[in-house]
Amino acid sequence: QKEVEQNSGPLSVPEGAIASLNCTYSDRGSQSFFWYRQYSGKSPELIMSIYSNGDKEDGRFTAQLNKASQYVSLLIRDSQPSDSATYLCAVISGGYQKVTFGTGTKLQVIP
Amino acid sequence: EAGVAQSPRYKIIEKRQSVAFWCNPISGHATLYWYQQILGQGPKLLIQFQNNGVVDDSQLPKDRFSAERLKGVDSTLKIQPAKLEDSAVYLCASSPNQNTGELFFGEGSRLTVL
Repeated sequence: QKEVEQNSGPLSVPEGAIASLNCTYSDRGSQSFFWYRQYSGKSPELIMSIYSNGDKEDGRFTAQLNKASQYVSLLIRDSQPSDSATYLCAVISGGYQKVTFGTGTKLQVIP
Repeated sequence: EAGVAQSPRYKIIEKRQSVAFWCNPISGHATLYWYQQILGQGPKLLIQFQNNGVVDDSQLPKDRFSAERLKGVDSTLKIQPAKLEDSAVYLCASSPNQNTGELFFGEGSRLTVL
């Protein structure tokens, strides 16, 4: 079982719709969760972090965490073509606080 | 504030040759990471430094890869000898400490092994 799993996509949504990206993780002791955005040919950049169960909103982005289900999600409201990118889920786990990334979900927002 | 600097940006070598990548983290960042990202995959952690000590190198192919962080600042990642499957982008990232997953990435070094 992979430590962090994501559907590779591509996930296609029309402009203005809500995009929903999902991630599951295997280490039940993980405490910190992150979403990174990676444009084609560029490096990842942090867009959201979440540490406790529930929702965390930042502009058009909402991160959701359910530790009991070992599940993290990212919702993007009013999706824009500029949101087209690969979204990487990252989890801190282990005694040395290793940051492990999923394979990423490619999002395409269709104008 | 200057970001994470990496060089070279691109490198093409033949298999069995050697290559070295350099990274200068954000000033004051104690934790430095080297990730390997193969096309279409997520970044894979190769090695994590806390100051100049190695915290995790469990996925570093130690028969061919080596890394060091001199004086807790700059770092180099070396591959010798390179294999075709080493073709990837090598990403360096830094963070203020190892208890945060808020990583700041450099632009990466793209390696092509022929």
